[in-house]
Amino acid sequence: DIQMTQSPSSLSASVGDRVTITCQASQDISHSLSWYQQKPGKAPKLLIYDASNLETGVPLRFSGSRSGTDFTFTISSLQPEDIAIYYCQHYDTLPWTFGQGTKVELK
Amino acid sequence: QVQLVQSGGEVKKPGASVKVSCKTSGYNFISYGINWVRQAPGQGFEWMGYINVYNGDTQYLQKLQGRVTMTTDVSTSTAFMEVRSLTYDDTAVYYCVRGQRVAYWGQGTLVTVSS
Repeated sequence: DIQMTQSPSSLSASVGDRVTITCQASQDISHSLSWYQQKPGKAPKLLIYDASNLETGVPLRFSGSRSGTDFTFTISSLQPEDIAIYYCQHYDTLPWTFGQGTKVELK
Repeated sequence: QVQLVQSGGEVKKPGASVKVSCKTSGYNFISYGINWVRQAPGQGFEWMGYINVYNGDTQYLQKLQGRVTMTTDVSTSTAFMEVRSLTYDDTAVYYCVRGQRVAYWGQGTLVTVSS
């Protein structure tokens, strides 16, 4: 199975800060990666698919990029409503696997 | 719009079975497969399996083989996921997910295994 290594596990940032989360795949997954936001008690919300495509309706401050098997998720200017846990997930082959999650908190 | 609406929460005893439903709407049901994913309390996500709605083919997480069955009812555009021989480790929120690139998730169903 493909392993997804996500870091950091948590971070603390101020409103307006740039936030970066990374995910590394254990093998080539092409661009078959999504980023999700999850708030307590809610289903995950798709933010980015195909590594860098912004889902419809998602604010432009969210973005994603790929370099080989390394994937980066960025919030360009953190807002209070962005406090959540973020997960990467590959869908290149079955089984899907997920990163361990990054908890984003306000400083 | 695409919607996946899951059945309500369940409390089961160890050794029992649970069947979760996922009623879909807003798209052609047989055009997309359905994946099932679960999340234990305070934990990350675990993919459980996939069903090809068009032909009924399934693929399950190896460790769940023999305990899980995924089915569909095309007449009602509903997917089902059954887990048998429940243990405490099966306590989780279970999600159905349509598609993969632009994935749509159900709202989740909490299954609690408790004696």
